[in-house]
Amino acid sequence: AQKITQTQPGMFVQEKEAVTLDCTYDTSDQSYGLFWYKQPSSGEMIFLIYQGSYDEQNATEGRYSLNFQKARKSANLVISASQLGDSAMYFCAMREGPPGGYNKLIFGAGTRLAVHP
Amino acid sequence: GAGVSQTPSNKVTEKGKYVELRCDPISGHTALYWYRQSLGQGPEFLIYFQGTGAADDSGLPNDRFFAVRPEGSVSTLKIQRTERGDSAVYLCASGGVEPASGELFFGEGSRLTVL
Repeated sequence: AQKITQTQPGMFVQEKEAVTLDCTYDTSDQSYGLFWYKQPSSGEMIFLIYQGSYDEQNATEGRYSLNFQKARKSANLVISASQLGDSAMYFCAMREGPPGGYNKLIFGAGTRLAVHP
Repeated sequence: GAGVSQTPSNKVTEKGKYVELRCDPISGHTALYWYRQSLGQGPEFLIYFQGTGAADDSGLPNDRFFAVRPEGSVSTLKIQRTERGDSAVYLCASGGVEPASGELFFGEGSRLTVL
């Protein structure tokens, strides 16, 4: 069964507008973590934001926020005030189990975001 | 260096040849992961090292793939008798006990092309 589902292969947004990238996940663990990574054309995976399953508040990091809806098993990424440099692939990932020595991540297929001027 | 370093950045080889891909993790990180990313896909887990030992190699596709980390730092991914389907970007990531989120730090990858 697919663990991480990103249903949007591609998204377009106007510069300075907000955009939401969808992510749903599947796990039977009570403790898990959700991550978003950005992959520009250079290929490097850049960590953006993290949400722990027991975190009560939605995570925020600058212009990035994670809309965590535990009952729906969704962890959507919201980018506010989009910039041209936000154009990249975005991957949602999950770690099953609590953080510790073993932090194997399972990735979704990604969403390509294009920011238009 | 400050980040995860991978060499070579690009490797073109012929079907049937042997290749080695190297990963130098962030200093002090005991955990090291190899992922494979095919075109248009997300990274797929291959193998995880904790120290020198391979704690989870469940993602290795077959016995042509092997990885080592003899001194608990640098790791080498070895692919024997390469096939065209092995063409992909091979990503290495490392992690430590900090930060508490358990995020992984990735290198820029080694792009392998098998002709």
